Amino acid sequence: NAGVTQTPKFQVLKTGQSMTLQCAQDMNHNSMYWYRQDPGMGLRLIYYSASEGTTDKGEVPNGYNVSRLNKREFSLRLESAAPSQTSVYFCASSGTGGGFSNQPQHFGDGTRLSIL
Amino acid sequence: QKEVEQNSGPLSVPEGAIASLNCTYSDRGSQSFFWYRQYSGKSPELIMSIYSNGDKEDGRFTAQLNKASQYVSLLIRDSQPSDSATYLCAVNVGGTSYGKLTFGQGTILTVHP
Repeated sequence: NAGVTQTPKFQVLKTGQSMTLQCAQDMNHNSMYWYRQDPGMGLRLIYYSASEGTTDKGEVPNGYNVSRLNKREFSLRLESAAPSQTSVYFCASSGTGGGFSNQPQHFGDGTRLSIL
Repeated sequence: QKEVEQNSGPLSVPEGAIASLNCTYSDRGSQSFFWYRQYSGKSPELIMSIYSNGDKEDGRFTAQLNKASQYVSLLIRDSQPSDSATYLCAVNVGGTSYGKLTFGQGTILTVHP
């Protein structure tokens, strides 16, 4: 039972390079999320996708783009990496609860990204 | 005021004691509340969810929710060294129905033998 799978687990980039972080979930969840986690800053939402075909900005979207490829996959792209984007990136997914009762989010193992 | 705030840490308790972690939130429309545990270098792991006022118990963990006072807490009874981790409070600020959560900054808990 894989849950949420992120690739790669580690990556080192040079400033200005681009890359795509991949995320896939096998729980048939409608909603998917991308977070970054920096020391002392907690988890901050970059982008989310409430359902297949929709994406919306979160708290810190600048410098990122996303694609909800299908119900299972949600990718995060850095077009021109900057040292300020050095962080741990987590993908998460959640089902849709009844009414306003949200289902919890389930997280992948994370991608540790360093930009030199 | 931050949307979700957790009591400042780090929190250190002796093995066998009760650890109390607190979280306050600003939006009265929030409906769903979660506690996650995160070990160093690992991803957040769900340990409790609570939606109604009152207490919810699961093993050594008890979540308490008071919507009138806008706080949610987590009690860990008989704390063990393996409970040492960062605990994250998460709230669906705004009461959205598609699961978007706002996380607190986390409280580091250390349980010493």
